Amino acid sequence: SQKIEQNSEALNIQEGKTATLTCNYTNYSPAYLQWYRQDPGRGPVFLLLIRENEKEKRKERLKVTFDTTLKQSLFHITASQPADSATYLCVPNSGGYQKVTFGIGTKLQVIP
Amino acid sequence: EPEVTQTPSHQVTQMGQEVILRCVPISNHLYFYWYRQILGQKVEFLVSFYNNEISEKSEIFDDQFSVERPDGSNFTLKIRSTKLEDSAMYFCASSGDWTSGGADTQYFGPGTRLTVL
Repeated sequence: SQKIEQNSEALNIQEGKTATLTCNYTNYSPAYLQWYRQDPGRGPVFLLLIRENEKEKRKERLKVTFDTTLKQSLFHITASQPADSATYLCVPNSGGYQKVTFGIGTKLQVIP
Repeated sequence: EPEVTQTPSHQVTQMGQEVILRCVPISNHLYFYWYRQILGQKVEFLVSFYNNEISEKSEIFDDQFSVERPDGSNFTLKIRSTKLEDSAMYFCASSGDWTSGGADTQYFGPGTRLTVL
C-alpha cells in the first residue's frame, strides 16, 4: 500500500537556523509532490508544488527538492522564525483530481 | 486572494441529531472534497464530488453521511444521526483551477469543529 514517511514527528530548531524536513514515500510514482502547512485547529495551507521533472523549487525562504530515484523530498526553511512553528505535511500525487492522502506530518518548533 | 469558507466555525450537537456543515468553495473550482481530523490524528479523506455526483468516498463515509451542492456556490456535508465518534474538525477543500497546469492543488477551508455530546 502507499505510504508516506516524514523524518520525524517533531523537530526543534533554533531561530535563524535552516530547518530541513524529509519526506519519503513508497509504492507511489508521483507526478508531483506538494507541501502543506497546518497550524493547530486550522486547515492545511498549500505552500509549494514540485513536479517530477523539477529538481528544486523556491518560494521566499522555502526550498523544496524532489528526488524520484530516492523517492524523497526535502523541505527547507531558511532563517527560520518562531512564526514558522507548525506541522508540515508532504503529499505525493500521481496527477489528476484525486483525494489527498496525508501522513501525520512533522511538527516544527522554532525556538527563539 | 480567493479562499474556501466554512460555517459554522463550531457546532455542538446532541448524539443522534442531524447536522449540516456548509462550505463555499473557490468560485472557479470544479472539484470539492470533505476531510475530517480527529484531535491529535491526521487529516482523513471523506468524499470527493465532481459534476454533481460523488467521485470517490472513503470507508468512513457511510450511509449516515451525504453531500450536496444545492446551488452554484454552496457545498454541504450532512450527518444524519451523529455519534460521539463523529466529533472532529471537518475541512472542506476545492480544486480544479487549470491555471495551475492541471495539478490538483487543493485549497482547504478553516474547518468546522463538530462536538457531539
